[in-house]
Amino acid sequence: DADVTQTPRNRITKTGKRIMLECSQTKGHDRMYWYRQDPGLGLRLIYYSFDVKDINKGEISDGYSVSRQAQAKFSLSLESAIPNQTALYFCATSDLRGTEQYFGPGTRLTVT
Amino acid sequence: SQQGEEDPQALSIQEGENATMNCSYKTSINNLQWYRQNSGRGLVHLILIRSNEREKHSGRLRVTLDTSKKSSSLLITASRAADTASYFCATSASGSRLTFGEGTQLTVNP
Repeated sequence: DADVTQTPRNRITKTGKRIMLECSQTKGHDRMYWYRQDPGLGLRLIYYSFDVKDINKGEISDGYSVSRQAQAKFSLSLESAIPNQTALYFCATSDLRGTEQYFGPGTRLTVT
Repeated sequence: SQQGEEDPQALSIQEGENATMNCSYKTSINNLQWYRQNSGRGLVHLILIRSNEREKHSGRLRVTLDTSKKSSSLLITASRAADTASYFCATSASGSRLTFGEGTQLTVNP
């Protein structure tokens, strides 16, 4: 089984809808991250969490919120989706040293 | 804004040739990492080089770091069709936050 899983893998939703993307990991890592990837722009950090009680905004947090339900679970929510949030979303984890990050397979989100 | 800028944006070579990708960054770093992404999939960590290192090898990969020029290069020797992917550099200034470049799309033609 994959160490970092994301659900759903693909999602099409309409403008104004609330949507949640979920991430689970079996690596036992404390640190978890949410990124979005747009064509030609690389990955940009949305939110990150160093443990269950620690949540931090990243580079582009506006329009997003997160929840760290447990060490192994980190969810990303779009409260009211808009078309420019159409992107590929990745969850990642790292250990306390915070060096190498391990990525999930991604969620392709389309907002119409 | 993105910390890293990669050059070239796209590279097409023949199998067996070497591929070189470059990354420039703007601020001081603790380490620089290279990741690989197959089309539409998650990123996979390839290699990390610390700010006090100048060169590092891993299999067919060679990474150099020049902190005075704020630049790094990734060399893939004897490329294979399976090396076709996007390659990203990522810098870490403090803690574990990474800032990614925009990537180089490598195509290795059989």
